[in-house]
Amino acid sequence: AQKITQTQPGMFVQEKEAVTLDCTYDTSDQSYGLFWYKQPSSGEMIFLIYQGSYDEQNATEGRYSLNFQKARKSANLVISASQLGDSAMYFCAMREGSARQLTFGSGTQLTVLP
Amino acid sequence: DVKVTQSSRYLVKRTGEKVFLECVQDMDHENMFWYRQDPGLGLRLIYFSYDVKMKEKGDIPEGYSVSREKKERFSLILESASTNQTSMYLCASSRPTRVSGANVLTFGAGSRLTVL
Repeated sequence: AQKITQTQPGMFVQEKEAVTLDCTYDTSDQSYGLFWYKQPSSGEMIFLIYQGSYDEQNATEGRYSLNFQKARKSANLVISASQLGDSAMYFCAMREGSARQLTFGSGTQLTVLP
Repeated sequence: DVKVTQSSRYLVKRTGEKVFLECVQDMDHENMFWYRQDPGLGLRLIYFSYDVKMKEKGDIPEGYSVSREKKERFSLILESASTNQTSMYLCASSRPTRVSGANVLTFGAGSRLTVL
């Protein structure tokens, strides 16, 4: 089974609107971390936001927030007030327990329309 | 800022050639990683290393080997390149894992390899 599932290969959003990128995960560990990265066309992976499995509050970083629903095993990324510069590939990832590595989803290509 | 530098941004090699992809980080990170990125498949882990001369296989190690002789440098080696290894290769590094806390992976800019 896929550990990280991103079901939206591509998404479009109008500039200044909010958009939600979906991510579901699968783990039997009680301790895990969830990450979102942004990859612009230049190729470099940029860390956006992190949520620990024991964090009670949803993580927020500026215009980014993580809608963490533990029972549903979902960790959706919400981008508020989209900007043209938000057009990029977005990856959801998970670290299980004390693992060193991250497992990534297949990504969502977001296009912000003017 | 942590910096992860990959030596080649673009490479074109022929089938059967030996290929070295080099990665250097400047923040004394213990962990280093090589991922491969393909459309529709996301990033898949090839190998990682948690110390000098230590390595562990990831999800797709076949056809690859790695070398970590110094803490700051982690090399990916394709002993005999094949066309199905045409891909984007991403190197990353991180501090030792803690049970809690982000412990973010910091990535290089990527190396796009084409094998003809």
